[in-house]
Amino acid sequence: SQQGEEDPQALSIQEGENATMNCSYKTSINNLQWYRQNSGRGLVHLILIRSNEREKHSGRLRVTLDTSKKSSSLLITASRAADTASYFCATESRDDKIIFGKGTRLHILP
Amino acid sequence: DAGVIQSPRHEVTEMGQEVTLRCKPISGHNSLFWYRQTMMRGLELLIYFNNNVPIDDSGMPEDRFSAKMPNASFSTLKIQPSEPRDSAVYFCASSLSEKLFFGSGTQLSVL
Repeated sequence: SQQGEEDPQALSIQEGENATMNCSYKTSINNLQWYRQNSGRGLVHLILIRSNEREKHSGRLRVTLDTSKKSSSLLITASRAADTASYFCATESRDDKIIFGKGTRLHILP
Repeated sequence: DAGVIQSPRHEVTEMGQEVTLRCKPISGHNSLFWYRQTMMRGLELLIYFNNNVPIDDSGMPEDRFSAKMPNASFSTLKIQPSEPRDSAVYFCASSLSEKLFFGSGTQLSVL
């Protein structure tokens, strides 16, 4: 069963613009993670935010977490063509189970 | 480190045949996850192990699916008999602490 639901399902923006993706989930979590998947490849971990954190940065990535709304957002600033990929949120629950959403397909236009 | 290694990379089989997918996790990792990815259903968690012990197999679709982890460096996912609706990409991922490392996946086509 799906825990996280990403929004939007697909996003196309111009290179240099910022990209924002959102994730909503249903149950209590230990942490929330974002992963990236290039076509035909396995997923790659980007960033993790714990349930007691509200915001985290890593390079051009900014993640926020609102546990009261059970939602998270991933912001990619100054997008590049190489950022074109699918992005997934994943929630880890108390029993160490890690469940993924269906992802957002991001396309950066040159 | 070679990362998580899955084999085969591609598998084409006929309905009714047995399929075995293999995974070698990263050395030292104590958790292993099997996922299935399709366009319709996204990434589904099938089963996960901690210290070689299956913890939750509630995602395994039906009795045709089974998974084993006989030791810390090897896991298998078996489908018998296979059906066309099992066609998907199957991923194995290992973890030491929270963060998952994925293999390249096995693309399974059941004709």
